[in-house]
Amino acid sequence: DVKVTQSSRYLVKRTGEKVFLECVQDMDHENMFWYRQDPGLGLRLIYFSYDVKMKEKGDIPEGYSVSREKKERFSLILESASTNQTSMYLCASRSGYSYNEQFFGPGTRLTVL
Amino acid sequence: AQSVSQHNHHVILSEAASLELGCNYSYGGTVNLFWYVQYPGQHLQLLLKYFSGDPLVKGIKGFEAEFIKSKFSFNLRKPSVQWSDTAEYFCAVNEVGINNDMRFGAGTRLTVKP
Repeated sequence: DVKVTQSSRYLVKRTGEKVFLECVQDMDHENMFWYRQDPGLGLRLIYFSYDVKMKEKGDIPEGYSVSREKKERFSLILESASTNQTSMYLCASRSGYSYNEQFFGPGTRLTVL
Repeated sequence: AQSVSQHNHHVILSEAASLELGCNYSYGGTVNLFWYVQYPGQHLQLLLKYFSGDPLVKGIKGFEAEFIKSKFSFNLRKPSVQWSDTAEYFCAVNEVGINNDMRFGAGTRLTVKP
């Protein structure tokens, strides 16, 4: 079974802190994704990556950056956390073709105080 | 802009009622279509998908969906819901290609009363 793991289930940070969210997948998938999930807004794509060191902006990249140094790991970085970044963050991975299923991690619920 | 619309935010049904959840998209090209489900406290998981062939696709747990290209729609159906179907349901779309991202709708929360 594909496994996507995220470093933390719950995280509390203060405004202005730098925050790292880590995601690891164990199925050698080329594509990895970061979403945030908010009530009434569904999942919104922040960034995705289709290869090591490659990244593409999604719909809401402002205030976020990403890093993909190894195929299995995709990190989301909040350079200076703000209260409006309080959300559930979901990581997903997918093998090559766009008709393939995305596999999701359990999510990290981030609260920024 | 490309978008995915789910018409119902919250649906409440009694057990054994029939279900239909609407999904419309605004992509102009050839698309892949998905329905994902998130049970309380669990990961999102795939219910079913369409990428070619028969526009009526069947998924897990008795769910099915019909792709109607002329209406840009991919509605999810189940003839008789169970209490265990209580969950949030997301429609998702991407355009055909290898490195394309996916867009999700806002989700529909389904509550099934026992």
